[in-house]
Amino acid sequence: QKEVEQDPGPLSVPEGAIVSLNCTYSNSAFQYFMWYRQYSRKGPELLMYTYSSGNKEDGRFTAQVDKSSKYISLFIRDSQPSDSATYLCAICQNQGGKLIFGQGTELSVKP
Amino acid sequence: GAVVSQHPSRVICKSGTSVKIECRSLDFQATTMFWYRQFPKKSLMLMATSNEGSKATYEQGVEKDKFLINHASLTLSTLTVTSAHPEDSSFYICSARGTTHTGELFFGEGSRLTVL
Repeated sequence: QKEVEQDPGPLSVPEGAIVSLNCTYSNSAFQYFMWYRQYSRKGPELLMYTYSSGNKEDGRFTAQVDKSSKYISLFIRDSQPSDSATYLCAICQNQGGKLIFGQGTELSVKP
Repeated sequence: GAVVSQHPSRVICKSGTSVKIECRSLDFQATTMFWYRQFPKKSLMLMATSNEGSKATYEQGVEKDKFLINHASLTLSTLTVTSAHPEDSSFYICSARGTTHTGELFFGEGSRLTVL
């Protein structure tokens, strides 16, 4: 079993839709959770960083962590064509540890 | 967020030559830098962890003599692909975790290597 599982998509939605991106992980020792956005041929850009169960909101983005289910989500409200990118979840056991990435979900928002 | 600069963004080289990629943290000191490799439509694969002033720690299956990593200062790490072959063609990305950014990792723009 992979440490992090992420549906690779691709996912295509109309502009304005709510997007839900998800990852599951296998090891309950993971404590830190991140979402990155990667545009084509660019490095990943940190979107959200959380270390506890619950929700964290930043503008149109909401990160949700459910440690009991080992499930993390990223919601994008009012999606825009500029949100079209690959979204990668990443988890880490401790602050100084290495990140383990999901496979990435390719999102396309159609105008 | 913190800025990590990577150079060159693209490089084409002949088979058998060596290529050096630089990773710099521009506005913070990075005690730890990480080097990743990414294939098209695939996730990031961690190659090695680089700590300032010490030897890099390589992931299983990564040849340390082929991918030389140097982290001589708190703002610079380099990856040298030695005796490059076409199968080394890939997107290489560095990331840095600074002393003032707890747990967060910031990435460079990536370097696309093409070996002919």
